[in-house]
Amino acid sequence: QQQVKQSPQSLIVQKGGISIINCAYENTAFDYFPWYQQFPGKGPALLIAIRPDVSEKKEGRFTISFNKSAKQFSLHIMDSQPGDSATYFCAARFAGNKLTFGGGTRVLVKP
Amino acid sequence: DAEITQSPRHKITETGRQVTLACHQTWNHNNMFWYRQDLGHGLRLIHYSYGVHDTNKGEVSDGYSVSRSNTEDLPLTLESAASSQTSVYFCASSGSVDGEQYFGPGTRLTVT
Repeated sequence: QQQVKQSPQSLIVQKGGISIINCAYENTAFDYFPWYQQFPGKGPALLIAIRPDVSEKKEGRFTISFNKSAKQFSLHIMDSQPGDSATYFCAARFAGNKLTFGGGTRVLVKP
Repeated sequence: DAEITQSPRHKITETGRQVTLACHQTWNHNNMFWYRQDLGHGLRLIHYSYGVHDTNKGEVSDGYSVSRSNTEDLPLTLESAASSQTSVYFCASSGSVDGEQYFGPGTRLTVT
């Protein structure tokens, strides 16, 4: 069973627009929530991450919003650029640095 | 520069054959992980290791095995390849028990 559910599976956004990807989890033992970015033919790379005692984290154009009571978190990509076109995965970490991933969202930014 | 590499990058094999995928990292990381990536499932953990001679089963370990004889390498073996094991396989490593995981470039395996 998938412990982290991610939506949407894909989205198209115009250059300069906002991309929003949502994830939900059930297991309250998760202690760390990273987002990974993956380009075709490459391995995933850490983009940004948050701990459950923080409600928001921003790094440049990327922001994670975290709602602990709802067990949901989301990635916002502001001022989306064509170079942001990639697949994004949310993940949740449990004991021993083991990650469980969402199903992924393919983002296409149109120029 | 330190890095993590996987070989081969592409592999086609027949059902029933034994296949070994290599993973090598030069960061001297103790923690290493194997994932498979399938459309709609994200990445799922197959096996992981916290150090030499340590191996552990992940979420989808059936049909796979690993061994850790040194810090740098964690080969993944498919004992008898099945079509359901057609996937893209990623190796990752981290320097601490709660550190960032760095992923290799992946191996695309096709079982015919």
